[in-house]
Amino acid sequence: EAGVTQFPSHSVIEKGQTVTLRCDPISGHDNLYWYRRVMGKEIKFLLHFVKESKQDESGMPNNRFLAERTGGTYSTLKVQPAELEDSGVYFCASSQDFYSPLHFGNGTRLTVT
Amino acid sequence: QKEVEQDPGPLSVPEGAIVSLNCTYSNSAFQYFMWYRQYSRKGPELLMYTYSSGNKEDGRFTAQVDKSSKYISLFIRDSQPSDSATYLCAMSADSAGGTSYGKLTFGQGTILTVHP
Repeated sequence: EAGVTQFPSHSVIEKGQTVTLRCDPISGHDNLYWYRRVMGKEIKFLLHFVKESKQDESGMPNNRFLAERTGGTYSTLKVQPAELEDSGVYFCASSQDFYSPLHFGNGTRLTVT
Repeated sequence: QKEVEQDPGPLSVPEGAIVSLNCTYSNSAFQYFMWYRQYSRKGPELLMYTYSSGNKEDGRFTAQVDKSSKYISLFIRDSQPSDSATYLCAMSADSAGGTSYGKLTFGQGTILTVHP
């Protein structure tokens, strides 16, 4: 079984540019989560999809962040325009249902200069 | 004040030692308690999962939850160099009201090094 795949693994962009991160969950996993870890801080929840619907987006920092999940399969997280404080590691995780353990991808390391 | 407090270490122990990792938390709604292991440049990997209070053992790993004290622990027996990683505690509330068990609150992580 393929794990959660994230692309790219590393992205370096300038302040003001746009970046799109992609996550492919484990096949058949309806629940998809985005988390973020900024330097020196703990991993924090951003949002949760159930299939193509946003179940909980209470952790999204502001309206520069837009997450989508087309057809309930892969998900994208767009940051536009990027700011310096957006630098960090963005993790995606998926689970089969509400009570199943989360499987995390290896993350996308975003550096905004 | 953070909802979950975890000593970031670093913690360095000799091979074969017993390792104790701990987290405290403030939110009494937390019901699910997890320990993740994270190797460098990798994603968190679930090690142990406990619902409510009690102990759980899996091989060399034992997880303990004391809800009355809002304190959780992970013990690693006979530690090995391959156990060197960052250990993250994580917890979540019940799914009442549509909140998923997967909405995790993490500790900062403890960096563990086991030297031969």
